[in-house]
Amino acid sequence: DIQMTQSPSSLSASVGDRVTITCQASQDISNYLNWYQQKPGKAPKLLIYDASNLETGVPSRFSGSGSGTDFTFTISSLQPEDFATYYCQQYDNLPPSFGQGTKLEI
Amino acid sequence: EVQLVQSGAEVKKPGESLKISCKGSGYSFTSYWIGWVRQMPGKGLEWMGIIYPGDSDTRYSPSFQGQVTISADKSISTAYLQWSSLKASDTAMYYCARPSGHGWYHAFDIWGQGTMVTVSS
Repeated sequence: DIQMTQSPSSLSASVGDRVTITCQASQDISNYLNWYQQKPGKAPKLLIYDASNLETGVPSRFSGSGSGTDFTFTISSLQPEDFATYYCQQYDNLPPSFGQGTKLEI
Repeated sequence: EVQLVQSGAEVKKPGESLKISCKGSGYSFTSYWIGWVRQMPGKGLEWMGIIYPGDSDTRYSPSFQGQVTISADKSISTAYLQWSSLKASDTAMYYCARPSGHGWYHAFDIWGQGTMVTVSS
C-alpha cells in the first residue's frame, strides 16, 4: 500500500491567515491526489482533485499543487467556516489510501 | 439531484451479523462504482473497498479483504456492506461514496450521510 503522510497533524490559526498543509506519498503517484474537508458529524467533501483542480462550487481561496511524492494544500485567507479536518488521498494504486488528517483549529 | 442515502444507525452485539445499505438516486446506478469508507471514533478515513454495480466487479483493500463483503442489487439501485460476525473493533461510522467519473480511481464527489455501527456486549 502507498503510505500518505500529512503534516502537521493539527494546526492553530486565525481568520484571515494563510494556511498550508503538506502531504507526502511513499512513492511516486504523479498527480493522482485529492483533498477533502470534513466537519464534525458530517461526511467528507471533495475540494481538490488531480492535485490542483478545484471542484465545482469550491471557493477559490482553496488551492493545491505538487506532483510525484510531495503535495501542498493552501487556504489563502481562512474563513470561519474553514475550521475542519483536511485529508489527502492518493489514487495511483489500490487501495486509494488517505493521509491521517490535519485538524485546523482556531 | 444525485444522492446516496444510507440506512440508519445500528447497535449490535459481538458475533452478530449485519448488512447496511446505500441507495443511489438521480443518476445511472449501474454506470458508476460505489465505495465504502470507514471512520473509527475520533480517527481518520479508511478506504475499504468498491463495487461496480453494472457487473458486480469488486475490489477490496487488503486490510478489509475477508472481513467484510460488499455487494449490490442493481434492480433497486442499492449497494451493501455486510459482516458475518461483528467485533467491538467494527464500531465506526461507515460512509458510502460515488466517484466523480466512471472509473474506481476518480475522487469521491458524492457521499452518503454515514451509518453509525456500534458493537457492544
